[in-house]
Amino acid sequence: DTAVSQTPKYLVTQMGNDKSIKCEQNLGHDTMYWYKQDSKKFLKIMFSYNNKELIINETVPNRFSPKSPDKAHLNLHINSLELGDSAVYFCASSQVAWGTEAFFGQGTRLTVV
Amino acid sequence: SQQGEEDPQALSIQEGENATMNCSYKTSINNLQWYRQNSGRGLVHLILIRSNEREKHSGRLRVTLDTSKKSSSLLITASRAADTASYFCATDAVQGAQKLVFGQGTRLTINP
Repeated sequence: DTAVSQTPKYLVTQMGNDKSIKCEQNLGHDTMYWYKQDSKKFLKIMFSYNNKELIINETVPNRFSPKSPDKAHLNLHINSLELGDSAVYFCASSQVAWGTEAFFGQGTRLTVV
Repeated sequence: SQQGEEDPQALSIQEGENATMNCSYKTSINNLQWYRQNSGRGLVHLILIRSNEREKHSGRLRVTLDTSKKSSSLLITASRAADTASYFCATDAVQGAQKLVFGQGTRLTINP
């Protein structure tokens, strides 16, 4: 079984559309994250949730809205997509908020045209 | 500002040689981790070293940590073609938000 799974793997959409990326972890972890990896491979944290509560929001535009219905799921909804949103988005989870290894999903490659 | 920076940005060596990658960071940390990312895949955790540790081994991997210089190195011995990937260091700072901050990565290519 995949530990951290995110869907879809690829997403191509037009500017102005709204899209969602789903993430689920079956590791029983308390903390989940969204990271954005740009074309230069720079990986930057966007959000962190601990037991369904938002603990980190890294100056991400409010067009990005994470939702955690339970601690095994952290979905990312993006409104009014822009060309600059094109990137690979990774979901990850860890046992606790820090000090332990993070497990990553396979990534969602978002292309905005 | 960004916590970790890897050096070199790219490294190409022959199979069987050792590969060394370095990571520098700016603030006091609780621990430092190394991750591998194969092309088109997610990151995979390799090793975690705590701030009170100086060296750690895992199979062909050796990690050192020098908190006085705020730097770490990852050594892969007897490299294999399958080691071709990007390698990232990640730190969580003592002060501030509890989060992993990644460097830009070193792209390692092992030539057969």
